[in-house]
Amino acid sequence: QVQLVQSGAEVKKPGASVKVSCKASGYTFTSYYMHWVRQAPGQGLEWMGIINPSGGSTSYAQKFQGRVTMTRDTSTSTVYMELSSLRSEDTAVYYCARARDYSSSWGLGYWGQGTLVTVSS
Amino acid sequence: SYELTQPPSVSVSPGQTARITCSGDALPKQYAYWYQQKPGQAPVLVIYKDSERPSGIPERFSGSSSGTTVTLTISGVQAEDEADYYCQSADSSGTYGVFGGGTKLTVL
Repeated sequence: QVQLVQSGAEVKKPGASVKVSCKASGYTFTSYYMHWVRQAPGQGLEWMGIINPSGGSTSYAQKFQGRVTMTRDTSTSTVYMELSSLRSEDTAVYYCARARDYSSSWGLGYWGQGTLVTVSS
Repeated sequence: SYELTQPPSVSVSPGQTARITCSGDALPKQYAYWYQQKPGQAPVLVIYKDSERPSGIPERFSGSSSGTTVTLTISGVQAEDEADYYCQSADSSGTYGVFGGGTKLTVL
């Protein structure tokens, strides 16, 4: 069965960077796009970007361009999301989510458990 | 930047039909997806490609599309359907994703 297991909660100071991992299992890692979505406390879902695990190509939401980097390691079936220059507004639960179909990059059919990132001085 | 617009809240009594709309200029070109999220849980995909239902999702969940508006319909609402619902799609180029602001469904 498809599983996405994310790294644990993080506490960071303003200005620092955070790197969240998402280890995939139960399917062919390179066949499905992976997205990152975040949710601030009491707020809605926010799309951050997408990575193609096959070639590593990425697209980032305009809001995060210049601050976010998404990478993958095919040897361990893991994708990473690094966010830099953290500020208090970045406090949120960060999710990785896999596309449902190999034929489409959209439709997030499988989600990780979420990683809480807290930014506080 | 591209936006999807949802009503903040919808309320229905058990057994009635709930309809949640989502509007966006690119919806005639891009598929819409719907997610259900209960407190403390990750979202769950309930409708994909406007009107397709994943396996395991009850038949009372359906989706439709008309022009720049898509609609999630829940027929015969049950107490367990109380949750936040989000539409999601992409911009006209299909490159950048976007979520609607979410709709809180309350079962009276």
